[in-house]
Parts: sequence; structure tokens; C-alpha cells
Amino acid sequence: DTAVSQTPKYLVTQMGNDKSIKCEQNLGHDTMYWYKQDSKKFLKIMFSYNNKELIINETVPNRFSPKSPDKAHLNLHINSLELGDSAVYFCASSPPNRRYKSDTQYFGPGTRLTVL
Amino acid sequence: AQSVTQPDIHITVSEGASLELRCNYSYGATPYLFWYVQSPGQGLQLLLKYFSGDTLVQGIKGFEAEFKRSQSSFNLRKPSVHWSDAAEYFCAVGAQGGSEKLVFGKGTKLTVNP
Repeated sequence: DTAVSQTPKYLVTQMGNDKSIKCEQNLGHDTMYWYKQDSKKFLKIMFSYNNKELIINETVPNRFSPKSPDKAHLNLHINSLELGDSAVYFCASSPPNRRYKSDTQYFGPGTRLTVL
Repeated sequence: AQSVTQPDIHITVSEGASLELRCNYSYGATPYLFWYVQSPGQGLQLLLKYFSGDTLVQGIKGFEAEFKRSQSSFNLRKPSVHWSDAAEYFCAVGAQGGSEKLVFGKGTKLTVNP
């Protein structure tokens, strides 16, 4: 299936641990994103990569580090996890737009992170 | 800076009734506008989008939305709601001119009564 996929779907871990979430898209898109959805369902962009290059970096703690080994993958590594990191993390991708840099964003199924 | 307001946190309608979900945006230039739907435990699915041209856009699942520049609005409508439409609906605005940043509203939860 052509899609944006994320692993794992659920992640439960202790405070202070380091964890990674993986994202892959086989849509041939150039731009990938990470979003955080908090407990009130509010969605906020964290990072955006275009062709493996970081283009958006919102005010996110530097414990969060995105890594893009190629344009089909964008992983999110989180160091020293805190209780407040508990959320659903969504990966998304978008194709290039002839007039503008990006087009519609397609979202993955999400990773629910619970920090105990 | 861009912002999106969805004034209704929760809306309840009866199956078969019409639906309108409100969305107001704040952006200086002509915006990209989107409506996404999120079913429980799922990711976001695009319903429709407006980039330019005809201000009434048709989407999937029988939804439509109308861009009104004078009111800075992009309201989502459906003439007859089905029980399967129960979900969270998000309006989003993106900037033109090369920005990939989408700003989302806080969402409207739709409950459909039988």
C-alpha cells in the first residue's frame, strides 16, 4: 500500500529514557514533517524536512532530534523523556507544488507515546 | 502570524440532518486552507482543500467548504450527516510563498445521534 507509515503505534516508557519513532513514506514526496498532538487534540508542527534538509524547526526542546537518512524517511529521537512528552506524534509528507514549495500533507496513523 | 479559530468545540447533530462546522483564519495574504478529519485512534485524512480559483470546493464523503475572503472563513458543510461522520474535524491554514507550515485549529468534535 502507498502510505505514510509509523512505528511503533504505541510506546510506553519510563521518564529519563531515550526512544525513537520511525516514519517512512512511499509516496515519492519531497517534504516530511513531525507534529505533536496533545491531550486536548491540539496539533502543532515540530519539524519539517525537504529533501533531507531541515527547513522548519519550531520551539521544540533540543531533547528532540529529527533525522532524515533519505527523503523517504524521517525519524524522531527523543532523549531524557519527560512526563510532558506524552502525546500522539504524527508524521506527514507532502509532494512538491509547481508554484510553491509544498502541497497537501498526508498523515501517518500516529504514535501514542506514554511516559510514566 | 497565521492562526485558525474553530469556535465550536463540540457539535451534536441527528443522523440525516445538515451540518456546518465553522472555521475562521487569520493570515495577511491569500491562504491555503484545509479540512482534515480524524476518527478515534486514527490519523488525519484530508477532506478537501482550497488553494485558489472557485471558492466552493468539493471534497470526499459528500463534504464541501466555501472560502469567504471578506469573512476570513472556510466553513465545512454536509447536507445529510451519516453516523460514520462522527469524528474530530480540523481546519488548517498554510502560508503561500514557500512555507510548509500548517497551523491547525483546535478541532470540533462531531457527535451523530441515531
